Amino acid sequence: GAVVSQHPSRVICKSGTSVKIECRSLDFQATTMFWYRQFPKQSLMLMATSNEGSKATYEQGVEKDKFLINHASLTLSTLTVTSAHPEDSSFYICSARAGTGVQPQHFGDGTRLSIL
Amino acid sequence: AQSVSQHNHHVILSEAASLELGCNYSYGGTVNLFWYVQYPGQHLQLLLKYFSGDPLVKGIKGFEAEFIKSKFSFNLRKPSVQWSDTAEYFCAVTIDAGGTSYGKLTFGQGTILTVHP
Repeated sequence: GAVVSQHPSRVICKSGTSVKIECRSLDFQATTMFWYRQFPKQSLMLMATSNEGSKATYEQGVEKDKFLINHASLTLSTLTVTSAHPEDSSFYICSARAGTGVQPQHFGDGTRLSIL
Repeated sequence: AQSVSQHNHHVILSEAASLELGCNYSYGGTVNLFWYVQYPGQHLQLLLKYFSGDPLVKGIKGFEAEFIKSKFSFNLRKPSVQWSDTAEYFCAVTIDAGGTSYGKLTFGQGTILTVHP
């Protein structure tokens, strides 16, 4: 089946640090990748949608200068949390989808980000 | 904007009991519906999906869901649960915009299912 690898799985760092999270589709070409954020006991909230070679589309309320998304190839997207602060601590999940239209997304294992 | 509501935050059952998890959405147009499962320590996996046709859809591991358009519901069912079904279950929808939608998923809050042996 379709496999999405997310790295790292856990990050602990000091306030003010920038953190990069990678999302790779291992056995398919991901035309579209999605980045979600999940707070404890809450649902996944879509942060942004990125299409290979294009600028990401951010959801309302998500700061694009804070959460930099790059989707430079059909198998890799990165999310960089710039100058992270404790309120950015959360569980970040990526997903990837082949093709366009309505297709199931395949999810990574998530990254637990803790900012001290 | 569409929204998804799951009625129960935590359901506790014994093995062999029947399961029904509620899911309601709010959107007046055509939707595509999904149930995802997240086993402890694992990533989200697709259980089943509804795009069109027979409103009763069957998924993996004996799960099924019924789309009732008039009730805006897509409840998940399993006649006899197993200990291995212990997981968190998420209902999700995308809006079918004639193929132009990128299929952004809107998730419910999730329901934790605990099955006791």
